[in-house]
Amino acid sequence: DGGITQSPKYLFRKEGQNVTLSCEQNLNHDAMYWYRQDPGQGLRLIYYSQIVNDFQKGDIAEGYSVSREKKESFPLTVTSAQKNPTAFYLCASSVWGSLADRGYTFGSGTRLTVV
Amino acid sequence: AQSVTQPDIHITVSEGASLELRCNYSYGATPYLFWYVQSPGQGLQLLLKYFSGDTLVQGIKGFEAEFKRSQSSFNLRKPSVHWSDAAEYFCAVSGGDMRFGAGTRLTVKP
Repeated sequence: DGGITQSPKYLFRKEGQNVTLSCEQNLNHDAMYWYRQDPGQGLRLIYYSQIVNDFQKGDIAEGYSVSREKKESFPLTVTSAQKNPTAFYLCASSVWGSLADRGYTFGSGTRLTVV
Repeated sequence: AQSVTQPDIHITVSEGASLELRCNYSYGATPYLFWYVQSPGQGLQLLLKYFSGDTLVQGIKGFEAEFKRSQSSFNLRKPSVHWSDAAEYFCAVSGGDMRFGAGTRLTVKP
């Protein structure tokens, strides 16, 4: 079955470390997205990508970086510059072009904790 | 830019009772509206979506939502709630990228 796979499910980061969260999809979707979820704040957009080798900053991109070398993959790196990285991170994908088709498919998330 | 407000942070209903979750949006053009559900520690699952046409849309798990342009609302309803409906519900509006509300947590009493 097609879907989005996020790994790992739980991740622990020490102060000053960079960590990378994986997101892979086999839905042949053009667009991929990273959201951060904190209690009571809903989902906030970090980065998104419409096509390979191109991506745009969302509302809270500072302290994060992404790459889109393959259509299927959109890894997120949480850098040491992100001062408060403890959160639940969600990856999503969708077709691009027609808003009518723009229902997102989400992965099951990665919970990142700073120790 | 588009935005979504979900006025209720937490709602508790008894099993078998009806449910209505409120959603108000702000968007200058024709909105594309969505409702998602999230179980604890999981990703979001699409319940239903509205693009145009009939203002009452049906979704999965017995949910429906009604689009009211005059009130800028897209409220989610279910006639009879089941214990398995306990989760967090997110309303979203798309005008390019998707914007989510802060969510409403639903608790179901036995």
